[in-house]
Amino acid sequence: GAGVSQTPSNKVTEKGKYVELRCDPISGHTALYWYRQSLGQGPEFLIYFQGTGAADDSGLPNDRFFAVRPEGSVSTLKIQRTERGDSAVYLCASSLGTGGLNEQFFGPGTRLTVL
Amino acid sequence: DAKTTQPNSMESNEEEPVHLPCNHSTISGTDYIHWYRQLPSQGPEYVIHGLTSNVNNRMASLAIAEDRKSSTLILHRATLRDAAVYYCILRDRGETSGSRLTFGEGTQLTVNP
Repeated sequence: GAGVSQTPSNKVTEKGKYVELRCDPISGHTALYWYRQSLGQGPEFLIYFQGTGAADDSGLPNDRFFAVRPEGSVSTLKIQRTERGDSAVYLCASSLGTGGLNEQFFGPGTRLTVL
Repeated sequence: DAKTTQPNSMESNEEEPVHLPCNHSTISGTDYIHWYRQLPSQGPEYVIHGLTSNVNNRMASLAIAEDRKSSTLILHRATLRDAAVYYCILRDRGETSGSRLTFGEGTQLTVNP
């Protein structure tokens, strides 16, 4: 079956611009997660959704970052006024439910480069 | 979140077993030990998890120390496709508290032909 998909695979933008990154989770998965991975580091948690609501957004670095999941399926991560330090691979994952026993399935990521 | 410590890198030869260690001396009683791996240019993928007893699945085995302060991921016969970064992660079983994955830097496994 189809796994988690993310679009675009690569995004190059200029400092100060607005970007949107999209995630399509596995059908039927109620939980959706966003992580960010800088070069040579492990992924860092940003936010997760249970259904349509953000259950934990404590990992968002500042108010330039925002994510939505209006219908409980597709999610969009939005970054305003991008900075060079936002350059990273943004990973999305989904799982059947939340909690420590649910396997998370990851997409291939979107590589964001801010010039 | 409780912290895990792993070697930065390890090397193995193809067809040989690989033992990847992880220390987690501050593990709590409700923490599960999870392993994920990340192949080059891909997102992480689940490998295995356990609580107290040793676990086996088609990908690997997980050996957990009796005091649960350390564990070892065992790949029985390494293949070139197993070259990846392996992450040892503690997850609380709770619905909210256990939802996020807290990654460290992991162990970069190199498999030599």
